[in-house]
This record gives sequence, structure tokens and C-alpha cells, in this order.
Amino acid sequence: DAKTTQPTSMDCAEGRAANLPCNHSTISGNEYVYWYRQIHSQGPQYIIHGLKNNETNEMASLIITEDRKSSTLILPHATLRDTAVYYCIVRGPSNSNSGYALNFGKGTSLLVTP
Amino acid sequence: DVKVTQSSRYLVKRTGEKVFLECVQDMDHENMFWYRQDPGLGLRLIYFSYDVKMKEKGDIPEGYSVSREKKERFSLILESASTNQTSMYLCASIQGGRENTGELFFGEGSRLTVL
Repeated sequence: DAKTTQPTSMDCAEGRAANLPCNHSTISGNEYVYWYRQIHSQGPQYIIHGLKNNETNEMASLIITEDRKSSTLILPHATLRDTAVYYCIVRGPSNSNSGYALNFGKGTSLLVTP
Repeated sequence: DVKVTQSSRYLVKRTGEKVFLECVQDMDHENMFWYRQDPGLGLRLIYFSYDVKMKEKGDIPEGYSVSREKKERFSLILESASTNQTSMYLCASIQGGRENTGELFFGEGSRLTVL
């Protein structure tokens, strides 16, 4: 699976958009980009994933560059409850014997301030 | 609400004790995982299972074993606990095959301290 690079930490003012970048320059054509977050003292929570096209759900938007070498997770109106560690993960399609595991790196620690 | 439940949030054990960490999911998922999380190291995969009685080593299996006797239950076993196994342990599950959405469901975690 391709490796990802994320900033160690970021700040965002409450009510503003939080834009979290991720670099995955070695991504292969069949690898997906996943985003998870982990709020303190809880297990990680799935946010969104995509392959080529931009994706949006009730939590966030995922923008993937045309060459797929980087992506940005956007929280459109950050709240204090969005303070968490955000993980960007790249993984290929799974087979039944191995592939569903995700390799979590160290992520970006996002602090949303009042 | 879908759920992954870990039996204990906090445990304190002594060196050399046998420790069982239990995880149960109610989503009929084929695939289950055990991770440990340590400051500065992120989440690391210990073992996973893709079916009943099947298991595969993850990145750091040494000192651990697992058991999957029923589809909904995946147990992590520390045969002889050591202080370097003090950590947060996280269980997760995911649907397999065509219904897989890529979404891993995690439990709340079990914080183990070995004295």
C-alpha cells in the first residue's frame, strides 16, 4: 500500500473550514484514499473515502487531485467537537485473505479553537 | 446502532499473568482486527481474522495470540503479560466481499496496564 504524508498538527477557528492535506505521491491506480478520525479516548471513526472523483457526505468533502498524488479533507464548518487526530490512509482493493486491514500512520492533530 | 464492544475499558494486570481481551460485533462481519495504539507510534496491527477459526499475523504479533471460535467474537490473548504490552488495544470489524464499503468499525478501546 502507498505511504501517506500528513502535517503533524493544524489549528482551525471554530466555524471556519478546516482543510487537511495528505500527500500520497506513490499511489497506484487501484488504490483508494480513506480518511478516519480519532477523538480523544475513543476508537477511530470512518469519515469518507474515494478513488478518483471528489466525494461529499454529511461529515466532510474529499478532494482528490487529478493526478491522485494528493488529497484534501474539508470540514466545511469546523466545531470544537471536530478536534481530533485525522488519518489519511491509502489502500488497494481487498481480497478475502488479507486486504481489509488499514495501516494507520500518525495522522494530523487538528485543534479547533473558539 | 451498529456496534463493536470490547469487554473492558480499563485493566490492570501483573507481569506474567495471562490476559484475555474480548471483542464482540453485532454486524455479522467476516473480518475482525486487533490493533494496539501507543503515543508516537500510531495504530499498529497485531492480528486479524477473515473468518471463523482463521487468523493472520499483522505487523506486531509477537507476544500475542488470538481466537475466533464464533463469527461475532474475536479474542486477543497475552499468554504472559509483560510491561511493554501496556497499551491501548482497539478491536475493529469490517464487512467483506461485495458489501464492503471500506468502513472499519472500531470499539471504544481497552487500556491495559501491566505492572
